[in-house]
Amino acid sequence: RKEVEQDPGPFNVPEGATVAFNCTYSNSASQSFFWYRQDCRKEPKLLMSVYSSGNEDGRFTAQLNRASQYISLLIRDSKLSDSATYLCVVNGAGPGRTSGTYKYIFGTGTRLKVLA
Amino acid sequence: GAVVSQHPSRVICKSGTSVKIECRSLDFQATTMFWYRQFPKQSLMLMATSNEGSKATYEQGVEKDKFLINHASLTLSTLTVTSAHPEDSSFYICSARAPSILMERDTQYFGPGTRLTVL
Repeated sequence: RKEVEQDPGPFNVPEGATVAFNCTYSNSASQSFFWYRQDCRKEPKLLMSVYSSGNEDGRFTAQLNRASQYISLLIRDSKLSDSATYLCVVNGAGPGRTSGTYKYIFGTGTRLKVLA
Repeated sequence: GAVVSQHPSRVICKSGTSVKIECRSLDFQATTMFWYRQFPKQSLMLMATSNEGSKATYEQGVEKDKFLINHASLTLSTLTVTSAHPEDSSFYICSARAPSILMERDTQYFGPGTRLTVL
């Protein structure tokens, strides 16, 4: 089983639609979670961190379910500019975490295409 | 968000040559930087963790003698791909760890990447 799993998509949705992505992770000890956005042939950019209580940033809402070990991202009122690959990232602590070291584990990403 | 630069953005070289990639955190000090590699339509794969003033920690399967990492200052890490071969052609991305008050909330900011093509 992969450490972080995402549906690769693509999700093709019309402008204005609401779309949701899920991501599951295998390490129950994971402490922090993020959603990054990656445009074609570009670097990932932080979209939002995911907090236990859930958090919202404009049209984007992220939620964490520790019991079921999944995180979600909801995008409301989709825009053409939202077309990208959305990467689920889990802080999969590596050795020596007590010394402050850690590493990100990336999902393969979910492709979103918003259609006019 | 924090700014990380990477240079060069694109390299085309002959097989057998060495290529050096620089990663700089421009507006914060990064004790830890990371080097990733991404092949087409695949996820980012961590190659190594670069710690300022100490040796890098390499992921399993990554040859440390082939991918030399130097983190000489709090704002600069370099990756040198030695004796590059066509199979090393990939998108190399660095990131810098920006600390927060809560360690588990530390986030990584990514450089724009270097596209390496080895002929």
